[in-house]
Amino acid sequence: SYELSQPPSVSVSPGQTARITCSGDALPKVYAYFYQQKPGQAPMLIIYKDTERPSGIPERFSGSSSGTTVTLTISGVQAEDEADYYCQSTDTTNTHVVFGGGTKLTVL
Amino acid sequence: EVQLVESGGGLVKPGGSLRLSCAASGFTFSSYSMTWVRQAPGKGLEWVSSISSSNAFIFYANSVKGRFTISRDNAKNSLYLQMNSLRVEDTAVYYCAREGIGVAEVYFDYWGQGSLVTVSS
Repeated sequence: SYELSQPPSVSVSPGQTARITCSGDALPKVYAYFYQQKPGQAPMLIIYKDTERPSGIPERFSGSSSGTTVTLTISGVQAEDEADYYCQSTDTTNTHVVFGGGTKLTVL
Repeated sequence: EVQLVESGGGLVKPGGSLRLSCAASGFTFSSYSMTWVRQAPGKGLEWVSSISSSNAFIFYANSVKGRFTISRDNAKNSLYLQMNSLRVEDTAVYYCAREGIGVAEVYFDYWGQGSLVTVSS
C-alpha cells in the first residue's frame, strides 16, 4: 500500500526555521496537505495543494514541493507551534487517503 | 460557523458493534464529501472511509473493509459509521471530517472533536 514518510521528530529553538519533510512516490502526481494537531485537539489544516495556506493560518507556515518530497516550513518558530504535524495525500486514483506517520515538533 | 459533532462512541467487547454519528451544521451538507479518520491512543492519523456528497462513491481503508459501513442522510445533515466485528485494534478516537472542494483534491478542511471507541473485554 502507498505510504508517506515523515521524520518522527524535529527540534528547533524559538525564532529559528523548522522544516518537516514528507516523501512519497506519488507526490509528483497528487497534491499533499499538512495538518497541525495539538494535544487533546482535532487536527487543523495548515497547508493545502502543496503550497497554499488557508485563511487564518499565519504567514510563517509555508509549503514547497520538489519531486517526491513536499516540505512544510515554519519560519520564526514560536512556542505555540509545538505540535504534531501530519502530511496527507492520496493514491493516484484519489480513492484512498494516506497520512504520514506524523512529526513531533519540539520548540526548545 | 461550520460544526461537526460526533456521538455514539463508548466501550464495546471484541466482536461487538457500534454506530457513530456526526451531526453537521453551518454549511450545505449535501454538497460535500465526508470522511471518517481515526487515531489510536498515542498514534498517528489513519483514514477510515469516505463518502461522496450524493452517496455515489464510497471508499474504505483495507483495515476496515467488510466490517465498517459509512452512510449519510443529507435530509438530516448527518454522517454515520456502522462498525461491526470490532477488534481491539479498532480502539481509537474517531473524527468526522469535511472534505474540501476542488478538482483532484482530497483534503479535510473541518474536523469534529472526535468520539472515543474502546474495544476491550
